Amino acid sequence: EVQLEQSGAEVKKPGESLKMSCKGSGYSFTSNWIAWVRQKPGEGLEWMGIIYPGDSDTRYSPSFQGLVTISVDKSINTAYLQWSRLKASDTAMYYCARHGSSHEFDHWGQGTLVTVSS
Amino acid sequence: EIVLTQSPGTLSLSPGERAALSCRASQTVSSSYLAWYQQKPGQAPRLLIYGASRRATGIPDRFSGSGSGTDFTLTISRLEPEDFAVYYCQQYAGSLFTFGPGARVEIK
Repeated sequence: EVQLEQSGAEVKKPGESLKMSCKGSGYSFTSNWIAWVRQKPGEGLEWMGIIYPGDSDTRYSPSFQGLVTISVDKSINTAYLQWSRLKASDTAMYYCARHGSSHEFDHWGQGTLVTVSS
Repeated sequence: EIVLTQSPGTLSLSPGERAALSCRASQTVSSSYLAWYQQKPGQAPRLLIYGASRRATGIPDRFSGSGSGTDFTLTISRLEPEDFAVYYCQQYAGSLFTFGPGARVEIK
């Protein structure tokens, strides 16, 4: 069974850094891209970026380029999303999702809730 | 960047009724690269349809997708109580992914 297990909820202050994780299991982790998707409270889904664990090739949405960093450690089947300086506007649920053969997202993590508040 | 618009924003229907949700793109989308998701409160999105009309694994056949070019539709033939949720369309083009704003199907 394909599973994406995300790290737990975070409460941070503005200006702090954060790195969250997404661990894949039940499939060949290096064979599928992993995407990150943001969902602000009460709002819709926003694609942030995507990484190919096989060679760490990474693409970012223009809306998130330079604001976050996506990385991967294929030795432990884990993708990461990180910020160097959080803002209150980063408060949201963040999902990782596996990319499928028709450019759909066929499996999703449970989400990581990030709250940024002073 | 292709922008997706979904209509109606909210659909109020009763169980057993048919729901038709529209997703319109600002430019032509390859039918192969149009997907639909369902999201219930407190849950992650779930893939329903990919390639515009192909049901994902385990998705009941009351869910169907159709369309091409710039106009796509998700149809739920007979609403079950568990189908009341928010639905998103999503496309891929030019190494970019975009989601529609979502459409809510609520109990009338």
